Amino acid sequence: GAVVSQHPSRVICKSGTSVKIECRSLDFQATTMFWYRQFPKQSLMLMATSNEGSKATYEQGVEKDKFLINHASLTLSTLTVTSAHPEDSSFYICSAVVGVRLGGTDTQYFGPGTRLTVL
Amino acid sequence: DAKTTQPPSMDCAEGRAANLPCNHSTISGNEYVYWYRQIHSQGPQYIIHGLKNNETNEMASLIITEDRKSSTLILPHATLRDTAVYYCIVRVAGGSSNTGKLIFGQGTTLQVKP
Repeated sequence: GAVVSQHPSRVICKSGTSVKIECRSLDFQATTMFWYRQFPKQSLMLMATSNEGSKATYEQGVEKDKFLINHASLTLSTLTVTSAHPEDSSFYICSAVVGVRLGGTDTQYFGPGTRLTVL
Repeated sequence: DAKTTQPPSMDCAEGRAANLPCNHSTISGNEYVYWYRQIHSQGPQYIIHGLKNNETNEMASLIITEDRKSSTLILPHATLRDTAVYYCIVRVAGGSSNTGKLIFGQGTTLQVKP
């Protein structure tokens, strides 16, 4: 399968600071990437769709000015949590789309996730 | 996208086959069935997907009923490392101009026991 990496794997920051998380597709190019958030004992919640060279599309209820997404190249998308607060502490996961290759439809591959703790 | 229904939890003995059911009674003709799993504190792992034919790969088999209203993921010889949350998701076919979102439900927590 395709490999997606995230950096950092863990980050602890003070309230009010900004944190940037990188998502990279290592062995393929991804026009589209997705960002998810997962709170303890809950399922993944889609935050936004990131398209290379264009603005991200945010899900309802996700603040676009707080969660800045940049997809500057076909292998890199970044999520910046601005002015982080303790309630933003969560597990952030990205996925990247491998184009139509298997069985007539595309496939999403996920990164290992980034654990954000805001003090 | 259509919603899916999965049992919240299942147990399986190590070495035995694990059969994970999924109901998707409102699935549309152009929607695929995808399976992912998430081991604790990791990102989801792609397992398999299918449209209407049964599919098999090195990880698992996917059996889709003829009416496409339900499916079963089969792990032929479960090991302790297969303990995870398994998600069944249906979404429209993706392509260069239409990449469907994956909307995760609660999934099935599979516990493989020695």
